[in-house]
Order: sequence, then C-alpha cells, then structure tokens
Amino acid sequence: DQQVKQNSPSLSVQEGRISILNCDYTNSMFDYFLWYKKYPAEGPTFLISISSIKDKNEDGRFTVFLNKSAKHLSLHIVPSQPGDSAVYFCAASARDNNNDMRFGAGTRLTVKP
Amino acid sequence: DAGVIQSPRHEVTEMGQEVTLRCKPISGHDYLFWYRQTMMRGLELLIYFNNNVPIDDSGMPEDRFSAKMPNASFSTLKIQPSEPRDSAVYFCASSLLLAGGVNNEQFFGPGTRLTVL
Repeated sequence: DQQVKQNSPSLSVQEGRISILNCDYTNSMFDYFLWYKKYPAEGPTFLISISSIKDKNEDGRFTVFLNKSAKHLSLHIVPSQPGDSAVYFCAASARDNNNDMRFGAGTRLTVKP
Repeated sequence: DAGVIQSPRHEVTEMGQEVTLRCKPISGHDYLFWYRQTMMRGLELLIYFNNNVPIDDSGMPEDRFSAKMPNASFSTLKIQPSEPRDSAVYFCASSLLLAGGVNNEQFFGPGTRLTVL
C-alpha cells in the first residue's frame, strides 16, 4: 500500500520560476515529513523536513508546507536553478516509529535554463 | 567520513544465482536501513537494524531475501535465488539516534544497481 503518494512523476519549469512539488499521505499517524533529493547515480540526500506541529519550514530557496487536514505537503523552490534538476522524494514517519519511513515514488524535476 | 559505502555499484547476474550486496554505514550511526527503489513503488524499506540487531524485516519481499549485520560497520543483503523481478536499485542508509529518541535524517549510500537476466 502506498501510504505516501507523489502523483506527478515529472515536472518541468523555467529557470528563475517557482517549482512546486506535491505529496499526499494517507496515514494520519505520520507526524514527521521529509524531502530528499536524488541525482543520477547517487543516493538520496536529505533536503528539508517538517514536524506536524508546524505548517511551514523554510531553508533558503526551499520551503515545505504542511496541510494536516488535507494530508498534503508541498515543496516550493524559489527561484529554481538548473542545478535543482533531480528526483525529489517525499517521506513520512510516525513519532512512535521514526525508523519506519515511507517514501513516495518520486518526482523528476527539470529546470530549464 | 566517507559516508555510507555500498558495493558493488553494479551487479548483473543470471536468474537463479545468489546475489550479495554489501554496505558499510557511517561510523557511529546506530541504525542501518536497506531500501529498494523501483519505478513503480519508489523507495521501499526492506529491513532495518538497531545496534546490529534486526528490528523490522516486514518489508522483505520473500524468503529469498535475507540480511545480516555481523558488526557495527558491515551489513549484507542477500538474494538467493535471484529472479528478474528483483532487478532494482538497492540503497543502504544509516542514521544516528539523537537525544530525545528522535532519529535524525538518514544518510544514503550511492546504491547498487542490480540486473537479473
């Protein structure tokens, strides 16, 4: 069962514009959410996270928004840069089992110069 | 630290053969995870260890899969016998337990791309 879903397998944006990557989850026990970024031939690397006690977390060009009632989170990248081109994975875990992290299928972002 | 190290980076084998994937976690990390990435299902957690002890192997797809962690610096994921549907990228990750019992981010290795013909 896919408890974390990324319904857009790919996204293409122009350099300088905003990239918005979306993620939905089904398990209401999830209370910690992360985004990972993956370049080809490399493992995923942690990008940004958010706890369920917040609805927004910002780190430079990256902002994650959490809407608990809709079980939805999104990652905003502003402004987008060609180096941001990668696959982005959304992940979620529950406080009582932080290690059981569920990942989405990923969204491939392409930022065109 | 060199990060999480996985070997081999690529493995091509024939159906029915035994495959062993290897992982060296980051020194000092308490947890080690094995994931499988496929196009359809993304990253799936197969099994994870805490202090070398398997904690949750509910993600291991079949009895053909087994994982061991004989010491804090080494783990293996074995598939015997391998089948074409096992073809995927297998990632190893490790993490550190922070104060308060909350895990920090997981650090991933570069992955092993397995192709079973």
